[in-house]
Amino acid sequence: KNEVEQSPQNLTAQEGEFITINCSYSVGISALHWLQQHPGGGIVSLFMLSSGKKKHGRLIATINIQEKHSSLHITASHPRDSAVYICAVQKTSYDKVIFGPGTSLSVIP
Amino acid sequence: EPEVTQTPSHQVTQMGQEVILRCVPISNHLYFYWYRQILGQKVEFLVSFYNNEISEKSEIFDDQFSVERPDGSNFTLKIRSTKLEDSAMYFCASSGTGEKLFFGSGTQLSVL
Repeated sequence: KNEVEQSPQNLTAQEGEFITINCSYSVGISALHWLQQHPGGGIVSLFMLSSGKKKHGRLIATINIQEKHSSLHITASHPRDSAVYICAVQKTSYDKVIFGPGTSLSVIP
Repeated sequence: EPEVTQTPSHQVTQMGQEVILRCVPISNHLYFYWYRQILGQKVEFLVSFYNNEISEKSEIFDDQFSVERPDGSNFTLKIRSTKLEDSAMYFCASSGTGEKLFFGSGTQLSVL
């Protein structure tokens, strides 16, 4: 069984739509990461969460430790948001990051 | 923002040859990692490195793989005798104390 699951696997949205990507995990963690991977392959860290909620621009990430669930929201989506969004967890600080399968997002103008 | 630098961006090699992938982590970071991503698959952990030694390695990281931090700035991944299935994008990452991970832009390794 995968330790990190994401849904949906693929998502197509119209420009301007509100987008939610979900992540569930099965292990105890010290931190959860949301990462963005563009078609060129590079990985960018968006958020690192251990509790509550974080916001950066149009991106919002939340985590519920008790339910082992996190969501990434994108408000007013734009075609440049098209990328693969990856949820990843760390069991302890500085431990390896366990990657989820990713959600491929395509935002259409 | 500080960057993790990886070289080369692309590497083509013949099966059985040795390759060295290079990374320059962010200067004050203490924790270093190598990950790889086979085309169409999720990113997989290879090895973590702290205090000049391997802190954890995956099943993938067999005797053909080694890591070094030879001079306090570079962090290298060596594959001694490459196999076709080693073809992948290899990512280096580093982090400081309680900080988010910073990833390099990756090295695309193609083994022919």
